[in-house]
Amino acid sequence: QSALTQPASVSGSPGQSITISCTGTSSDVGGYNYVSWYQQHPGKAPKLIIYDVSDRPSGVSHRFSGSKSGNTASLTISGLQAEDEADYYCSSYTSSSALKVFGGGTKLTVL
Amino acid sequence: EVQLVESGGGLQQSGGSLRLSCAASGFTFSSYAMSWVRQAPGKGLEWVSSISSIGGSTDYADSVKGRFTISKDKSKNTLYLQMKSLRPEDTAVYYCAKCSSAWLLDPSYFDYWGQGTLVTVSS
Repeated sequence: QSALTQPASVSGSPGQSITISCTGTSSDVGGYNYVSWYQQHPGKAPKLIIYDVSDRPSGVSHRFSGSKSGNTASLTISGLQAEDEADYYCSSYTSSSALKVFGGGTKLTVL
Repeated sequence: EVQLVESGGGLQQSGGSLRLSCAASGFTFSSYAMSWVRQAPGKGLEWVSSISSIGGSTDYADSVKGRFTISKDKSKNTLYLQMKSLRPEDTAVYYCAKCSSAWLLDPSYFDYWGQGTLVTVSS
């Protein structure tokens, strides 16, 4: 059982926007602005796409954005493209251990 | 360009041992913490172990504590994971990941990942 809760799957049509939630507690997501998101295509390594809740690494599309409200962080992908179809994982700093907790992952299907 | 290249995976019987390696380049290896993250077939990501920038601090998931040992050789820019008493549930792709900070308890994220090496443990 993951410490962070994500929906198992989400879907959207090309051009639409989707949001993936990541729910934790006041000891992790809610207590710190240190949520990160990773994208993983089938058979490939994960790739960092969001860090510190809403910052994007160099080279990551502006279509990816992050936010947080209370104990829930969110990843929004706007202008969905076929290449966005992948698994997405969140992670959060916790008061007990840094960078060691992942969400269960969300499979994004582009219809 | 940051590169992380894992090696050492393979098929091993339950109770056996394996040593994974991760050759790092493109950054100052001694300035950053490093981690191993695994992914069982069809499952999500699971953090396994981390080591601080200079190797003085380590941490392990409960599932591998006492069986796995993480280390780093700064002279070779290489991260290791010594795996002993392997179990079928250790079967997974093991990823080497660079941490964004030097210390284990500092807020951090995994900013670079290797391509992974598959470990299969048969019963």
